[in-house]
Amino acid sequence: QTVVTQEPSFSVSPGGTVTLTCGFRSGSVSTSYYPSWYQQTPGQAPRTLIYSTNTRSSGVPDRFSGSILGNKAALTITGAQADDESDYYCVLYMGSGIWVFGGGTKLTVL
Amino acid sequence: EVQLVESGGGLIQSGGSLRLSCSASGFSVSSNYMSWVRQAPGKGLEWVSVIFSGGGTYYADSVKGRFTISRDSSKNILYLQMNSLRAEDTAVYHCARGGLTGSRAHYYFDYWGRGTLVTVSS
Repeated sequence: QTVVTQEPSFSVSPGGTVTLTCGFRSGSVSTSYYPSWYQQTPGQAPRTLIYSTNTRSSGVPDRFSGSILGNKAALTITGAQADDESDYYCVLYMGSGIWVFGGGTKLTVL
Repeated sequence: EVQLVESGGGLIQSGGSLRLSCSASGFSVSSNYMSWVRQAPGKGLEWVSVIFSGGGTYYADSVKGRFTISRDSSKNILYLQMNSLRAEDTAVYHCARGGLTGSRAHYYFDYWGRGTLVTVSS
């Protein structure tokens, strides 16, 4: 059973920068896993932010960026705003038609 | 405009069956890979199943052998047949379209429906 790890929670000040990560308990995340990132507020459908590691989805502001940092995928929010307060999920494509989501990060902006 | 609207959720007893539907507009379900993703109350997202444009289907271990994904191209609807339901299947079920650039898959989900709630009582 593959486990994808994310920080359970994170806090950032308005205007600040925060980097959320997405990794494996053992092993490294690479671009071959096509990491993608989603933002979700309670009761709403997820919103797609980043795909294929670092490509922004249509309409996503450029203060959201994706990368590989060390052995993890990363989502960086630059100039955090109040309405960035949400849950953030990564998902990795394991190949052979299987995806695995991370447990999600609850981001607080205060 | 791409839209996905799920239906078919409800309250069902443990061991029962339910079929979810996802009505798509603005594109053809048979030309994209389509997935179901669920979210238990207060929990995170969990990938459930995918059907590729070529017809190949895959499932998470937690539902393999109990759930079946399918599509009706003439109606442009994606389905999820759920059998032998358990309390742990209680969740909001979202359908999601797979992201493509031309014909190249990027193995992510670009459009999501709002979901339909399935509650399994024990």
